[in-house]
Amino acid sequence: ETGVTQSPTHLIKTRGQQVTLRCSSQSGHNTVSWYQQALGQGPQFIFQYYREEENGRGNFPPRFSGLQFPNYSSELNVNALELDDSALYLCASSPRDHPYEQYFGPGTRLTVT
Amino acid sequence: RKEVEQDPGPFNVPEGATVAFNCTYSNSASQSFFWYRQDCRKEPKLLMSVYSSGNEDGRFTAQLNRASQYISLLIRDSKLSDSATYLCVVNGPRYKSTFGDGTTLTVKP
Repeated sequence: ETGVTQSPTHLIKTRGQQVTLRCSSQSGHNTVSWYQQALGQGPQFIFQYYREEENGRGNFPPRFSGLQFPNYSSELNVNALELDDSALYLCASSPRDHPYEQYFGPGTRLTVT
Repeated sequence: RKEVEQDPGPFNVPEGATVAFNCTYSNSASQSFFWYRQDCRKEPKLLMSVYSSGNEDGRFTAQLNRASQYISLLIRDSKLSDSATYLCVVNGPRYKSTFGDGTTLTVKP
């Protein structure tokens, strides 16, 4: 069984640029959630996707957007990057019958300079 | 006040000790609860779910107190390999998940 994978592993961007992060969910999982984790803090919920629709969102501005594809993989897009967007971005997938039971990928470490 | 609060620690305990962590939450409509562990610079890994009746997995016991709005994790007979940050997460309503900032445990020989 393949776990959650994310790409890229690391990324360096300049303030004002746009970035796209990718996530492949675990086999049999149909729900994907994205999180931002700053150093020393817990993961902060960005949003959740189910059946290609956003069905839950945290306190993040609209420049954070996402997509889920028919194969349940997902993208996180961040526009107009700010220095404070530097963080570890985590994707988690959940099985159909346990949407809150989340399995995390290794994350993408984004640095904005 | 944060929606989910944990004592950040660190908790430094000797091998074989029993250690307990608490996590309080503010939203009484929360629906489900879990504990995760996170090793340094790694992703969180699901440790166990938490129920009002309590649940046990080997040396780990988790408990939910809905009336007082807190969850707990008890680790018995601590091992060196238990050293990590322990995160509680409170889920719902509306498919929102809220993590605490974690409690750091260091188990020493």
